[in-house]
Amino acid sequence: AQTVTQSQPEMSVQEAETVTLSCTYDTSESNYYLFWYKQPPSRQMILVIRQEAYKQQNATENRFSVNFQKAAKSFSLKISDSQLGDTAMYFCAFESGGSNYKLTFGKGTLLTVNP
Amino acid sequence: GAGVSQSPSNKVTEKGKDVELRCDPISGHTALYWYRQRLGQGLEFLIYFQGNSAPDKSGLPSDRFSAERTGESVSTLTIQRTQQEDSAVYLCASSPRDANQPQHFGDGTRLSIL
Repeated sequence: AQTVTQSQPEMSVQEAETVTLSCTYDTSESNYYLFWYKQPPSRQMILVIRQEAYKQQNATENRFSVNFQKAAKSFSLKISDSQLGDTAMYFCAFESGGSNYKLTFGKGTLLTVNP
Repeated sequence: GAGVSQSPSNKVTEKGKDVELRCDPISGHTALYWYRQRLGQGLEFLIYFQGNSAPDKSGLPSDRFSAERTGESVSTLTIQRTQQEDSAVYLCASSPRDANQPQHFGDGTRLSIL
């Protein structure tokens, strides 16, 4: 079974600065997908970024980018130019590449952006 | 609306009662998932539907939990004889048929058992 570990329960950053959230995972599969989801107080899970394991290039979405280290099974999220609206819980998630299937989530990191 | 819709948004009930939670997926999404999120925790997988069948029910915590889906659309999650440990947010997600397309989540139902 896959496991996802987020070792930082809480983090804070000043507005406009850069912050990196850590995620490691454990799997024996070679083909899989990794995700970062954001959950603000409204409860809705919002997809931030997605990475296919077979792609060596790190995914980017505007101010969000990942550092995907497949051999180390590490998948960190970098948020540049942090904004107050980035304050939320951030969850790292793993999905097997075998089928359209369930997500395995980490326990989350609460990010607070301070003015 | 165009997103995943869940109802009710909040549900408070007494221990021992049955509850039914509803999920309306995005139109055309054949895959549907239920997750449970306990306070301060990540999401736990409960059940996965492809069309109206459920290839994976492995996350259902006990036989008090059941789910069904009809018309490749609406799904209901039923919890019988609720217990206090069932208190959580129950989230539904849907995705298209194509493999490994991102899941789109609803806002969840917050269930509180008194």
